[in-house]
Amino acid sequence: AQSVSQHNHHVILSEAASLELGCNYSYGGTVNLFWYVQYPGQHLQLLLKYFSGDPLVKGIKGFEAEFIKSKFSFNLRKPSVQWSDTAEYFCAVNADTDKLIFGTGTRLQVFP
Amino acid sequence: EADIYQTPRYLVIGTGKKITLECSQTMGHDKMYWYQQDPGMELHLIHYSYGVNSTEKGDLSSESTVSRIRTEHFPLTLESARPSHTSQYLCASRRGQLTLHFGNGTRLTVT
Repeated sequence: AQSVSQHNHHVILSEAASLELGCNYSYGGTVNLFWYVQYPGQHLQLLLKYFSGDPLVKGIKGFEAEFIKSKFSFNLRKPSVQWSDTAEYFCAVNADTDKLIFGTGTRLQVFP
Repeated sequence: EADIYQTPRYLVIGTGKKITLECSQTMGHDKMYWYQQDPGMELHLIHYSYGVNSTEKGDLSSESTVSRIRTEHFPLTLESARPSHTSQYLCASRRGQLTLHFGNGTRLTVT
């Protein structure tokens, strides 16, 4: 069965620090990969996605993620975080089914 | 901006009551989903639908039921609420394999 692991449950950073959130999935075939973000009090929204092509994908608000097939990973990065990036971040995978499987989420707190 | 609407936003109800959580989308999406989310936990898929008159159970066993009589509407019903049903319920939809759009969720508390 597919599964998604997010190893960082809670990350605390100062503004301007660099961010990398880990995401690993278990599935040997073709996958579609997503990062969703949930700002406080708001609904989940798409940050970026990978379907095919360039494994380095860029999303909104300066976020990017790199798909490394050999490592089954899709880590999220941002060179310089802002206070407004404080949110919960979810990695998700969709493989050969219509079901999107989510990780446990990473809570990011950015302090000014 | 979400075109998928969930009501109520918050619900506090006593044990044994029947409740229906509403979910509607105006995007004409064929696929709709219900997820259950507890704080600090992953989203668990409890129901999904490929289209009208199609419903399937998700990966997490749930005592709730769903129906899909119209494309835009995918309500979730609990016949007899229990404290263990306290959670946040998220509805989502998409067309084909495209991006999943989420509603704001319903935070349910059963006392």
